[in-house]
Amino acid sequence: QQQVKQSPQSLIVQKGGISIINCAYENTAFDYFPWYQQFPGKGPALLIAIRPDVSEKKEGRFTISFNKSAKQFSLHIMDSQPGDSATYFCAASTRGGADGLTFGKGTHLIIQP
Amino acid sequence: DADVTQTPRNRITKTGKRIMLECSQTKGHDRMYWYRQDPGLGLRLIYYSFDVKDINKGEISDGYSVSRQAQAKFSLSLESAIPNQTALYFCATSVGRSQYFGPGTRLTVL
Repeated sequence: QQQVKQSPQSLIVQKGGISIINCAYENTAFDYFPWYQQFPGKGPALLIAIRPDVSEKKEGRFTISFNKSAKQFSLHIMDSQPGDSATYFCAASTRGGADGLTFGKGTHLIIQP
Repeated sequence: DADVTQTPRNRITKTGKRIMLECSQTKGHDRMYWYRQDPGLGLRLIYYSFDVKDINKGEISDGYSVSRQAQAKFSLSLESAIPNQTALYFCATSVGRSQYFGPGTRLTVL
C-alpha cells in the first residue's frame, strides 16, 4: 500500500513559469511533510517542510500548500529556472521524522530555457 | 553533504556474495537511517537506529542487516546478495525533524 502518492511523474515547464507537484497521503498520523530535491549523482537534499497545523509555508520561490481535510499537499516553484531541473520527492513521517520518512515516487522536473 | 560519507560509492558484486556498505557522519547526530532508491519507486526505508543499542526495521528489511558500531558509524550488510538488490543506497542522519543524506552507493548485483 503506497502511503504517499505523488504526481505527476514528470513535468516540463518553461523558464519563468510555475511548477506544481502534488502529493496525497492516507495515514492521518503523519505529522511532518518535507520536500526533497535531488540532482543526478547526489543524495536528496531537504528543500522545505511543513507541519499539519500550518496551511502554507513559503521560502523564497518555493511554497508548500497543505490541505489537512483533503490529506493533500503540494509544492509550488515560482519563476522556475533551469537550475531547478531535478527530481523532487515529497515525504511524510510520524513522530516528527524519528521513525524515518515515507517517500512519494518522485517527479522529474525539466525547466526549458 | 560532506558531513555524511558513504563507502564504496560504486560496487559490482555477484549473486551470493556478502557485501557491506558503510556510512560515517561528522554531524554528531544520534539517529541514522538506510534507504534504498529504485527508479520510479522513490526511496524506501531499510533500517534505522537511534543509538548504538537501538536498531529498528524499516519497510523493506528482509535480506539486509545493520550494525551501529558507534554514534558516527552505521553499516548495512547484504548477507547473500541477489540481483533484485541492485539499487542506489543512501545513508541519512537526523536531528530534530530534518534528515541529511549522504551521496549514495550504487550497488550492482550480477
